[in-house]
Amino acid sequence: SQTIHQWPATLVQPVGSPLSLECTVEGTSNPNLYWYRQAAGRGLQLLFYSVGIGQISSEVPQNLSASRPQDRQFILSSKKLLLSDSGFYLCAWSLGGGTDTQYFGPGTRLTVL
Amino acid sequence: AQSVAQPEDQVNVAEGNPLTVKCTYSVSGNPYLFWYVQYPNRGLQFLLKYITGDNLVKGSYGFEAEFNKSQTSFHLKKPSALVSDSALYFCAVSNTGNQFYFGTGTSLTVIP
Repeated sequence: SQTIHQWPATLVQPVGSPLSLECTVEGTSNPNLYWYRQAAGRGLQLLFYSVGIGQISSEVPQNLSASRPQDRQFILSSKKLLLSDSGFYLCAWSLGGGTDTQYFGPGTRLTVL
Repeated sequence: AQSVAQPEDQVNVAEGNPLTVKCTYSVSGNPYLFWYVQYPNRGLQFLLKYITGDNLVKGSYGFEAEFNKSQTSFHLKKPSALVSDSALYFCAVSNTGNQFYFGTGTSLTVIP
């Protein structure tokens, strides 16, 4: 069966510091991968998605970037965090496009002080 | 443009009563509709989806949803609510692209 991992689970970082969040998927090959941010425990904002190694689509211009160095690894990064980057970051995977269910990881709670 | 509306920010229901969480959508082409549940500080859990076929879709934990094309709705229902159903519920829509469009969520509280 497939599982999705995210780490760290929680993170407190000062403004201006770098960020690296990692997501890995087990039990499947060539998944679509997604990064979402959930602010104030509500709506989800799609940040990036990837349909293959090195292929990243950005949905919202921002202070963040994403990379996919391996088939089942998706990394969210920032060179300098802003206060507005605080939130709950969720990684998800699916087998294909819009008809396929997205399965979510446990999330990372980021607080920028 | 694709979008989802969850008109109720909060729904309260007594334990044992039926529950409904509303969702309406707007999408070009055929809609693919999903319901997810989120417990505090957790990721979203998939409940059910509609792709094609029978308008009544049955999912996990006794939940079901009815696709209504004329009303562009996909309401989530359960015949008898449990206290453990209290959570945040999200409706999502997609078409043949790679993106899901999520609603803003409905907080369900089941009162003992």
